[in-house]
Amino acid sequence: AQTVTQSQPEMSVQEAETVTLSCTYDTSENNYYLFWYKQPPSRQMILVIRQEAYKQQNATENRFSVNFQKAAKSFSLKISDSQLGDTAMYFCAFLGPGTYSGAGSYQLTFGKGTKLSVIP
Amino acid sequence: EAGVAQSPRYKIIEKRQSVAFWCNPISGHATLYWYQQILGQGPKLLIQFQNNGVVDDSQLPKDRFSAERLKGVDSTLKIQPAKLEDSAVYLCASSLVYGFNTEAFFGQGTRLTVV
Repeated sequence: AQTVTQSQPEMSVQEAETVTLSCTYDTSENNYYLFWYKQPPSRQMILVIRQEAYKQQNATENRFSVNFQKAAKSFSLKISDSQLGDTAMYFCAFLGPGTYSGAGSYQLTFGKGTKLSVIP
Repeated sequence: EAGVAQSPRYKIIEKRQSVAFWCNPISGHATLYWYQQILGQGPKLLIQFQNNGVVDDSQLPKDRFSAERLKGVDSTLKIQPAKLEDSAVYLCASSLVYGFNTEAFFGQGTRLTVV
């Protein structure tokens, strides 16, 4: 079974500074996807960025970028020029073959999350 | 485009009562997921549907939880009887197709408190 570990329960960053959130995962699969989701207090889970495991190039979306190290099974999120609206819970998620043996299922597994606070 | 709709937003019940949650996915999305998110934890998959068929319900506590997706559109998740440890946010998500390269869109969730 796949596991996702986020070792930083809480982090804070000054507005306009850069912060990096860590994520490691464990899998025996070779093809999978990795995601970072943002969950503000409204509870709506919003996709921030995704990375395909077969791509060596790190994904980038505006101020958000990832450092994907496949051999190390590491997938960190860097937020540049942090803004007050970035304050939220951030979840790392792994999409890969599920553990259910009945079908070729795909399972989206989440880490426990990192609470990020952007300080004015 | 309308997002994933869930109702109710909040529900408080006593233990041993029953409760039902409703989810309307984004139009045309074949895959629907129900997640349980206990305070301070990441979402845990309970069940996922492909159209109206169950693909994975391996983590659904079937002695008290049930879910259905009639006609491959709306879905309901039921808990009967509820326990204190069922207090959580229940998130519904949908995606266009099943498998890789499919972004899951989430609803705002239902916060359940069992007292």
